Amino acid sequence: DIQMTQSPSSLSASVGDRVTLTCRASQSIGRYLHWYQQKPGRAPKLLIYAASRLQSGVSSRFSGSGSGTGFTLTISNLQPEDFGTYYCQQSYDTPAPTFGGGTKVEIK
Amino acid sequence: QLQLEESGPGLVKPSETLSLTCTVSGGSISIGTYYWGWIRQPPGKGLEWIGSTDYSGSTYYDASLKSRVTISGDTSKNQFSLKLRAVTAADTAVYYCASFNLATSGPFDYWGQGTLVTVSS
Repeated sequence: DIQMTQSPSSLSASVGDRVTLTCRASQSIGRYLHWYQQKPGRAPKLLIYAASRLQSGVSSRFSGSGSGTGFTLTISNLQPEDFGTYYCQQSYDTPAPTFGGGTKVEIK
Repeated sequence: QLQLEESGPGLVKPSETLSLTCTVSGGSISIGTYYWGWIRQPPGKGLEWIGSTDYSGSTYYDASLKSRVTISGDTSKNQFSLKLRAVTAADTAVYYCASFNLATSGPFDYWGQGTLVTVSS
């Protein structure tokens, strides 16, 4: 199984900050990496697919980069509505996708 | 745009079988570019993929659950279902159904709202 590790596990940042979340894969996964935002009591929402492609309707403040084993999700100009938990997911090992443990983002 | 909705009992007794159905609208489960998956989230924890089925009826399961899981599709009703046998308290979770998009490298692009299943006597 491909293991996905996210860091940090949580962070607190101020409105307007630039925030970077990291996801690492236990082996190379090319660009088969996707990012989700989940708010309490809600289903996850796809933000970024294929490492850097912005899902339709998602704010351009979200951007993704990376390939191989290291990936980042950047939130520019952090807004109050950006609180939640962010998960990465690999699909290189289709049809057995795996998720990272999540990064909880809190607004100061 | 796809819409998915889970349905099924919210309470299951230990050792019994958890059964959920996902109804898909806005598109057919016979689409070859999608898998149809189940994901769960224990209270306060992360996301766990359970398994998926595709347009041909092929199924794929997480290795740790494979002995207890069956996923099947019903194209006539545009639904797919999850059965998890011999449940324990550790199976208490919010269960989501979601579409796995092969055409965009495999994200889960549409999700149901989730349904909480509690295993308790």
